[in-house]
Parts: sequence; C-alpha cells; structure tokens
Amino acid sequence: AQTVTQSQPEMSVQEAETVTLSCTYDTSESNYYLFWYKQPPSRQMILVIRQEAYKQQNATENRFSVNFQKAAKSFSLKISDSQLGDTAMYFCALNAGGTSYGKLTFGQGTILTVHP
Amino acid sequence: GAVVSQHPSRVICKSGTSVKIECRSLDFQATTMFWYRQFPKKSLMLMATSNEGSKATYEQGVEKDKFLINHASLTLSTLTVTSAHPEDSSFYICSAREVAGDEQFFGPGTRLTVL
Repeated sequence: AQTVTQSQPEMSVQEAETVTLSCTYDTSESNYYLFWYKQPPSRQMILVIRQEAYKQQNATENRFSVNFQKAAKSFSLKISDSQLGDTAMYFCALNAGGTSYGKLTFGQGTILTVHP
Repeated sequence: GAVVSQHPSRVICKSGTSVKIECRSLDFQATTMFWYRQFPKKSLMLMATSNEGSKATYEQGVEKDKFLINHASLTLSTLTVTSAHPEDSSFYICSAREVAGDEQFFGPGTRLTVL
C-alpha cells in the first residue's frame, strides 16, 4: 500500500519570500511518480510540478522546485518569490506502479496563505 | 490541451432522488477516469476507477449500488448518486488519464447539495 503524509496543515508566508512545504511518502515500488497539485479557492486542481523517481535531478518549474530525497522518501516543494496568487491548498501525490499503477494517493494537504 | 469538463458544476436535489454527474475529456481519449470525493479543507478521497468498456473498480467502503459509474466511451464517464441523502452532499471531482499516460487531468468539480 502507498501512503503520503503532509505534516503541515497550514503555512503562511509574506509576499516575495520563500516557503517550503513538506511531504513524505512510502511505497515498495521502484518506479513511481510524485506530484504537487495546487487547489485554489476555485477548487480546480492544477498540476504544479512532477518528478519521476528514476530521475536524480530535482524538477523545477519557474518559481517552483522540489527537493527529492529518494532514500529518505521525502519530496518537498519550495516556492520562491511567493505571490498572492499562490494562496491555495497544496497536495502532494504519489502514482506508484504495480497493481496501483495510474492511481493517485494524496497527502492530507497544506493550506498556504500568502500575505501582502 | 488536456482539458476535462464536468457537468453540472452545482446541483441541489431533494433527498431520495438520483443525480447524474458527467465527466468529459475534451481533447484527448481517456481509457481511465477516476472519481473522487472531497470534503471542505480535506484531501481527495478516491471513490472508484472507471475503465472504458468495463465495470468500474470501487475503493473499499464505497457503495457500488449507491454510486453508479459508467464509462461508455473514451471521452465520457458518468457518476450517478442514487437515492441521495444529505450525507452524500460533497464536492465530487473526476480526472482522466490518457492512453499509456501517467498524469491525471482534473475536472473543475461538482458541488452536490442534498436537502
């Protein structure tokens, strides 16, 4: 079975500052994918960034980057130069292989508030 | 590309009635679609996985007779909440996965309120 844990229910940051959201996961599969999704007040799920487990290089997308520590099963999201539009609920998700291929296991979510 | 729509976006119904929610992939073919339920400020809970042309696979604890899922084509899946009760009130989200893809694309969700 796959599990994803986000231990920070809520976070806040000042505009233009940097914030890091934590995520740990567990899976017995060797090939899997990790994602960070953003859910703003509109509740539309938006893919922020993805990481393939076989890639050692950390993924980056503009102001968003991850710190993928495979041995520690850790996958944190760093948001640089935070903007008011980053205010949302953020979910870490795991797509593991094997019989669970294709399914996403979500963490509990972290509510991020960016203050002006 | 990779747009998924849901209809309706909001629905209010009386207790005991049935409600159908549609999920469509607009610009790609989706062999697999997923249905989630989400309570306010909570995570997404997978209800079932639907594969085109076959029966849906339900997660443990989800009543298959209450939540009927049909995936009749590569672009459409439907979720019917039968004999709805107030406790079925929730936000329902679908997602779709392309053939051989590893990413899910999410619909905008449907807010169901049962009076």
